[in-house]
Amino acid sequence: DAKTTQPPSMDCAEGRAANLPCNHSTISGNEYVYWYRQIHSQGPQYIIHGLKNNETNEMASLIITEDRKSSTLILPHATLRDTAVYYCIVRFNNAGNMLTFGGGTRLMVKP
Amino acid sequence: ETGVTQSPTHLIKTRGQQVTLRCSSQSGHNTVSWYQQALGQGPQFIFQYYREEENGRGNFPPRFSGLQFPNYSSELNVNALELDDSALYLCASSQQGLGYGYTFGSGTRLTVV
Repeated sequence: DAKTTQPPSMDCAEGRAANLPCNHSTISGNEYVYWYRQIHSQGPQYIIHGLKNNETNEMASLIITEDRKSSTLILPHATLRDTAVYYCIVRFNNAGNMLTFGGGTRLMVKP
Repeated sequence: ETGVTQSPTHLIKTRGQQVTLRCSSQSGHNTVSWYQQALGQGPQFIFQYYREEENGRGNFPPRFSGLQFPNYSSELNVNALELDDSALYLCASSQQGLGYGYTFGSGTRLTVV
């Protein structure tokens, strides 16, 4: 699986959009971009994933650049409960494949 | 729809002992994987089971072993515990091949003294 690079930490004001970047310059054509987050003392939680097109669900939006070498997770209106470590993962979407977690970005949402 | 449940939530063991951790998969999921998360680090893949057979393994020694049962629940066994085995052990289930995200349990906090 391709490696990812994320900033170790970010701050965001409550109610504002949180934009979390991820670089995955060695991603291959069949690898998906997944985002998970881990709130303190809990297991990781799936947020969203995509291959080429931008994706949106009730939790977030995922913007993938046209060359697919980077992506941005957007939390449109961050709340204090969004304070967590956010992991960007790229993986082939086939049987037997695992999730390879890096260090992630620690997002602190402040009042 | 129930999520992934793990037991016990916390456990203290002595170096050299053996431990068994348990996981119940989310309904409809046929794949279970285990991860080890040391303090301050991201989870590290241990192994994955599909249809009761191991179909993927990370860089962990053979003293880490597992089982998956016909009802898709799973066990993680660790023999000859070492102090460095102290970590949060996470179980995740998924429906293989459908592109769904993994559903994680809240983990078992193992402390080896």
